Amino acid sequence: QKEVEQDPGPLSVPEGAIVSLNCTYSNSAFQYFMWYRQYSRKGPELLMYTYSSGNKEDGRFTAQVDKSSKYISLFIRDSQPSDSATYLCAMSAPGFNKFYFGSGTKLNVKP
Amino acid sequence: NAGVTQTPKFQVLKTGQSMTLQCAQDMNHNSMYWYRQDPGMGLRLIYYSASEGTTDKGEVPNGYNVSRLNKREFSLRLESAAPSQTSVYFCASQGTVGNTIYFGEGSWLTVV
Repeated sequence: QKEVEQDPGPLSVPEGAIVSLNCTYSNSAFQYFMWYRQYSRKGPELLMYTYSSGNKEDGRFTAQVDKSSKYISLFIRDSQPSDSATYLCAMSAPGFNKFYFGSGTKLNVKP
Repeated sequence: NAGVTQTPKFQVLKTGQSMTLQCAQDMNHNSMYWYRQDPGMGLRLIYYSASEGTTDKGEVPNGYNVSRLNKREFSLRLESAAPSQTSVYFCASQGTVGNTIYFGEGSWLTVV
């Protein structure tokens, strides 16, 4: 079993839709949770990060962590064609120099 | 804002040739990483360096060597390239806030 599971998609939505992207994990030691956006032929770009449980909002993006369920989510409101990319979740535990990545969900926002 | 810079961006090698991928970061980070990304496999850690002077193997180190030249620079060397090493390679460094990791733009390597 992988440490981090992420549905690869692809996920296709119309412009303006609310998008929900999710990851599950198995290691209860994870405390740092990140979301990356990766455009085609580019490197992953840090989008959001949260520490421990709770929500964090940044513009149209909301990151949510539920440690009791070992489940994290990224919500995109009013999705735009420019949001079309692959979204990767990542997580790590304090004191460890290792990051665990989901395989990425490919999102396509249609105009 | 350079962040993490990788060179070259594209390279074609013949089987058996050697080459070095260069990486430099200007964020004063201690930890640096090399990953490869393949379709269906996600990001896989090749090597990492927790600080200047130290390096450790990741999950797919075979066929690669690394050098942490100084705090800024971390290079990845392929001694005898094989077609199985055709991939996209990403260098990354670890920030001190929130335990986040920042990536370079990638190096596309094809071994024929």
